[in-house]
Amino acid sequence: DIQVTQSPSSLSAAVGDSVTITCRASQGIKNFVAWYQQKPGKAPKLLIFAASTLESGVPSRFSGSGSGTDFTLTISSLQPEDVATYYCQKYNIDPTFGQGTKVEI
Amino acid sequence: QMQLAQSGAEVKQPGSSVKVSCQVSGGTFSNYAFSWVRQAPGQGLEWMGAIVPMYGTPIYARKFQGRVTITADESTTTVYMEIFSLKPDDTAMYYCAGDVGYCDVGGCFSLWLERWGQGTLVVVSS
Repeated sequence: DIQVTQSPSSLSAAVGDSVTITCRASQGIKNFVAWYQQKPGKAPKLLIFAASTLESGVPSRFSGSGSGTDFTLTISSLQPEDVATYYCQKYNIDPTFGQGTKVEI
Repeated sequence: QMQLAQSGAEVKQPGSSVKVSCQVSGGTFSNYAFSWVRQAPGQGLEWMGAIVPMYGTPIYARKFQGRVTITADESTTTVYMEIFSLKPDDTAMYYCAGDVGYCDVGGCFSLWLERWGQGTLVVVSS
């Protein structure tokens, strides 16, 4: 089975900072990665699919990159409303989520 | 805009079963995919399985094969997820999600999850 490792498990940054979250697959998965944001008590929300395609309506400060085994989600200028837990997901075959990254200000 | 409305919270005894529904409105139902994802309290997300109603044959995560059944009713545009032989560690929030998945000659595949239901809390306790 292909394992997905997300890091860090949590981070704290200031408003306006650039924040990067990493997701690593144990084998190559092309660009079959999505990123989700989950605020407390809410369902997850899709941010990015196909590793780098921004979902409609998602602010442009969110971006994704990567291919193969290494993927990143970047928030270019952290805002108070970005406080949430972020998950990567590999999909297509045997969908699997990363462990999550809790982002605080 | 597709919307997914899930059934209400459930409290179940260990060893029993629970069936959670997800009523879909505002979009194409039959050839769209729907996944189920669960989240234990304070834990991460876990994909359970998916179905494309037009094809009818669900796919499951290996962990849930044989203990979970996912079905779809095209007449009511509702997707169902039933878990059998419930255990206390099945206590979780269960989400249905609109899945940009598809089926072809190679089988069915779950892709990214673009719409989510509000979640259904299932508590398993004696």
